[in-house]
Amino acid sequence: GAVVSQHPSWVICKSGTSVKIECRSLDFQATTMFWYRQFPKQSLMLMATSNEGSKATYEQGVEKDKFLINHASLTLSTLTVTSAHPEDSSFYICSAWDSLNTEAFFGQGTRLTVV
Amino acid sequence: AQSVAQPEDQVNVAEGNPLTVKCTYSVSGNPYLFWYVQYPNRGLQFLLKYITGDNLVKGSYGFEAEFNKSQTSFHLKKPSALVSDSALYFCAVTSDTGRRALTFGSGTRLQVQP
Repeated sequence: GAVVSQHPSWVICKSGTSVKIECRSLDFQATTMFWYRQFPKQSLMLMATSNEGSKATYEQGVEKDKFLINHASLTLSTLTVTSAHPEDSSFYICSAWDSLNTEAFFGQGTRLTVV
Repeated sequence: AQSVAQPEDQVNVAEGNPLTVKCTYSVSGNPYLFWYVQYPNRGLQFLLKYITGDNLVKGSYGFEAEFNKSQTSFHLKKPSALVSDSALYFCAVTSDTGRRALTFGSGTRLQVQP
């Protein structure tokens, strides 16, 4: 199946700094990618829909100025957590929709810890 | 709006016994249904999907699921559980309308005892 690569798999940063997470679709073009957040022992919550060449669509309650999303090409979307705080510590997972196979492929996830 | 319900937080089953993990959904349009498995601190592994066609879908690692339109259910099943099947299982739905973002259930932890 198709592969979605997410990097880094884990990161520790200091409060107030920014962290960028990359999501790449390796063998198909994804006009639409999705970013999810998962708290411990909870489900995945959709944060935003990343659209190639246009602005991201954020879910209600997600701060767009804090979670900056850029989808500059058909194979790359990035999520930047700006001015990170400890409450932003979480597991972030990206997904790319493969229209040809009618399937969503997921990255390996990024464990963010803000200290 | 679309939603998924996984009514059981945890399912316990003895190794070698059949297992069922329940999932019901609500969606506008025709549903696309998925099952994923997650191991600690890992992403999601795809198990199987229903898009159209045969209501019984066979997937990875011996898992299968049956799409029941009238009951809006998509229960995950396996005839004989393995200890290595112990993990967190998510049911997810999207539809043939809308933007393809998956909505996930709350997850069910499967514990297979030796």
